[in-house]
Amino acid sequence: ETGVTQSPTHLIKTRGQQVTLRCSSQSGHNTVSWYQQALGQGPQFIFQYYREEENGRGNFPPRFSGLQFPNYSSELNVNALELDDSALYLCASSLEDSYSGANVLTFGAGSRLTVL
Amino acid sequence: GQNIDQPTEMTATEGAIVQINCTYQTSGFNGLFWYQQHAGEAPTFLSYNVLDGLEEKGRFSSFLSRSKGYSYLLLKELQMKDSASYLCAVRDSNYQLIWGAGTKLIIKP
Repeated sequence: ETGVTQSPTHLIKTRGQQVTLRCSSQSGHNTVSWYQQALGQGPQFIFQYYREEENGRGNFPPRFSGLQFPNYSSELNVNALELDDSALYLCASSLEDSYSGANVLTFGAGSRLTVL
Repeated sequence: GQNIDQPTEMTATEGAIVQINCTYQTSGFNGLFWYQQHAGEAPTFLSYNVLDGLEEKGRFSSFLSRSKGYSYLLLKELQMKDSASYLCAVRDSNYQLIWGAGTKLIIKP
């Protein structure tokens, strides 16, 4: 089975620009969540998608938005980039939504965004 | 607010045993997870505790005390490849994962 793949792996943007990050779920997983991880910090939950609908959101402003497609792949869009948006963005997939048992997350290697 | 506390960094010797502690204060509790993250790589799942007690999985064990808001990850027979960050995460009443900042474990020969 294939794991979670993310693209691009690295990118550089300037303040005010927009960025789209992409994620392909692990085969058989129908739930995708996105996390922001600043250097030396733990991941911060951005939002989760289950069956193409957002079903959970962390403390992030509306300029962070997302999509999940019928094949369970997903996108994270960030508008009006700020310097503090520089971080590693992790995508994680899992089976079913978060309301059951261990619900282990399988993470991708991340997209490292630098905002100048 | 919600808070997960872990030591920032620990050092241990190859072949030894190390215990990484995690204390938490969250709005509700629906399970605690430990993940391992090597530098520049994705976190990978190590263990899950939802009931009090010890869960053992090979060289790694994880303990939970819900009344104390406390967990630890125990790593035995340390190997150089165990050098990594160890992340503690708690699933709260909204079933969202709250993550600690991670403990960087350095293994010395």
